[in-house]
Amino acid sequence: EVQLVESGGGLVQPGRSLRLSCTGSGFTFGDYGMIWFRQAPGKGLEWVGFMRSNRSGGTTEYAATLKGRFTISRENSKNVTYLQMNSLKSEDTAVYYCSRIAVAGFDIWGRGTLVTVSS
Amino acid sequence: SSGLTQDPAVSVALGQTVRLTCQGDSLRMYDPSWYQQKPGQAPILLLYGVNNRPSGIPDRFSGSSSGDTSSLTIAGAQAEDEADYYCYSRDSDTTLVFGGGTKLTVL
Repeated sequence: EVQLVESGGGLVQPGRSLRLSCTGSGFTFGDYGMIWFRQAPGKGLEWVGFMRSNRSGGTTEYAATLKGRFTISRENSKNVTYLQMNSLKSEDTAVYYCSRIAVAGFDIWGRGTLVTVSS
Repeated sequence: SSGLTQDPAVSVALGQTVRLTCQGDSLRMYDPSWYQQKPGQAPILLLYGVNNRPSGIPDRFSGSSSGDTSSLTIAGAQAEDEADYYCYSRDSDTTLVFGGGTKLTVL
């Protein structure tokens, strides 16, 4: 079964860092770009950033408002992509989703992991 | 480009047809895709490349696009179609844009 599972969410104080993981299974992980989204409580989807597949250079792009604080990386040998979040703010509180980037769009999504930034 | 615009809320009677729209300059250059999200669940891909359905998506869902506006049509809305619907497009090779979402209520 093709699936993605996020982990690493939780309660974190403002200004601290947190690293989320997204583990894929059932497909050749390195062949796909991976993207992170987030959804604040009661709000719409917001893209955070993505990393292209190896074949496409493995480069990253970020939403302008998050560039500099968030970093995406991946370990294809472990079928994992990471979202490193630094200098967290209360407005970063959200459910964070990872998704696979396919020709057809974002075709596989994880169930999400909740990040709460609060003192 | 400043993003994609969707109606915040739309309602439809059970069994009737409803069209959800998405408007934005990026749609003139890039094909949209549509995502459905039910409460407490992750989004799922509904349509891509204007009017292509992934495996498992019912054929009552269809899409169209003209100029800066793309549409998602649900023909014969079912109770289980009550959800939030998001349109998406690229804005460039490095930037993506999402609509704010439409909350569909099936009456």
